[in-house]
Amino acid sequence: EPEVTQTPSHQVTQMGQEVILRCVPISNHLYFYWYRQILGQKVEFLVSFYNNEISEKSEIFDDQFSVERPDGSNFTLKIRSTKLEDSAMYFCASSEAGLAGAEQYFGPGTRLTVT
Amino acid sequence: GNSVTQMEGPVTLSEEAFLTINCTYTATGYPSLFWYVQYPGEGLQLLLKATKADDKGSNKGFEATYRKETTSFHLEKGSVQVSDSAVYFCALSVFGAAGNKLTFGGGTRVLVKP
Repeated sequence: EPEVTQTPSHQVTQMGQEVILRCVPISNHLYFYWYRQILGQKVEFLVSFYNNEISEKSEIFDDQFSVERPDGSNFTLKIRSTKLEDSAMYFCASSEAGLAGAEQYFGPGTRLTVT
Repeated sequence: GNSVTQMEGPVTLSEEAFLTINCTYTATGYPSLFWYVQYPGEGLQLLLKATKADDKGSNKGFEATYRKETTSFHLEKGSVQVSDSAVYFCALSVFGAAGNKLTFGGGTRVLVKP
């Protein structure tokens, strides 16, 4: 069964450093998403991406964040200058296009620890 | 805006007990409703979904019915197992420009004891 993969599984970085979280969505999916889950809190939407551009972003997704689909398979989330409060589990998800209620398939997540 | 409210946990049960997790929602537009499950150390997996009023989603013995009149989507299982110990998230999406962006509830941790 196809699955979404994410690397690395755990990233430790120092405050102010740049990090890139990588995701490989399911190959025939067209919508891509990033969510985050701060420890013990709810899963929060960050950004959605379709047709090579951001289709919606939340207020969390400020200028420190960016997303990119650099080739036909990878989907990346970059945090330019990490803060302590960016420590969270980051989930990538993908779904097929054009259907209300279409299932999103989630990757296993990257745990980001900012020290 | 869209929001999901679900009962806080943790919920601790004995094996073979009946499980109910309440979920209510507010949405602009006509939402699709989901239950996702997160097992320890893993990502989110879709457990079941319903896309219109009165639909019942079911999977692995779990059920939830889309109740538009009460804006609810309560999760139930008649006889839980230790392997059902996990965090359960109720979520909704309203299809639009952002595709099927999910709005999640706070999650309910369920612990099933032998």
